[in-house]
Amino acid sequence: SQKIEQNSEALNIQEGKTATLTCNYTNYSPAYLQWYRQDPGRGPVFLLLIRENEKEKRKERLKVTFDTTLKQSLFHITASQPADSATYLCALLLGGNTPLVFGKGTRLSVIA
Amino acid sequence: GEEVAQTPKHLVRGEGQKAKLYCAPIKGHSYVFWYQQVLKNEFKFLISFQNENVFDETGMPKERFSAKCLPNSPCSLEIQATKLEDSAVYFCASSQSPPDNGGTQYFGPGTRLLVL
Repeated sequence: SQKIEQNSEALNIQEGKTATLTCNYTNYSPAYLQWYRQDPGRGPVFLLLIRENEKEKRKERLKVTFDTTLKQSLFHITASQPADSATYLCALLLGGNTPLVFGKGTRLSVIA
Repeated sequence: GEEVAQTPKHLVRGEGQKAKLYCAPIKGHSYVFWYQQVLKNEFKFLISFQNENVFDETGMPKERFSAKCLPNSPCSLEIQATKLEDSAVYFCASSQSPPDNGGTQYFGPGTRLLVL
């Protein structure tokens, strides 16, 4: 069956460290993979998109990698801050105008 | 507008009552998407529109759920005869380009539906 798994439901890290979140998928061949941030009581906010032929994408303190052999994406936040505390969702775009498929998210808490 | 607007923020209905949710996409965005999020679980895609035409309705329950996007009006999602399991947050998103172009979706704040 098709599945998207984000490594853990919750992740706590110390301020200043690098947070690494994992998104694994099975039985999908995504054309794109996106990462979103969701704060309590709000809708998801788009962060980064990476295409199937790209290995890595960066934006400020954020870095996303995409390994289509391992069927995995890693999402890194360097020099993490308490303001980075939120739920982070990965979503697959399978191509051919199919809708986004979301993982359940990882709730990140950055402790000062 | 510059943000996706959803109304109401909260909606409480007795089982069997009708619920109607509204979404105003970002001006200039042709695509509108509806998602259901139950108890902080993953988002379930319901339906999408390209302007006023249904683009993809593969996630839409066959019964009780309907949706429209009419010109010059907010889009709407209607649930007839609500059931307890319809309790969820319903998110609307809009996009300038279709999914196969990797188009970024911009989400509204959601409508929290509680069916008692």
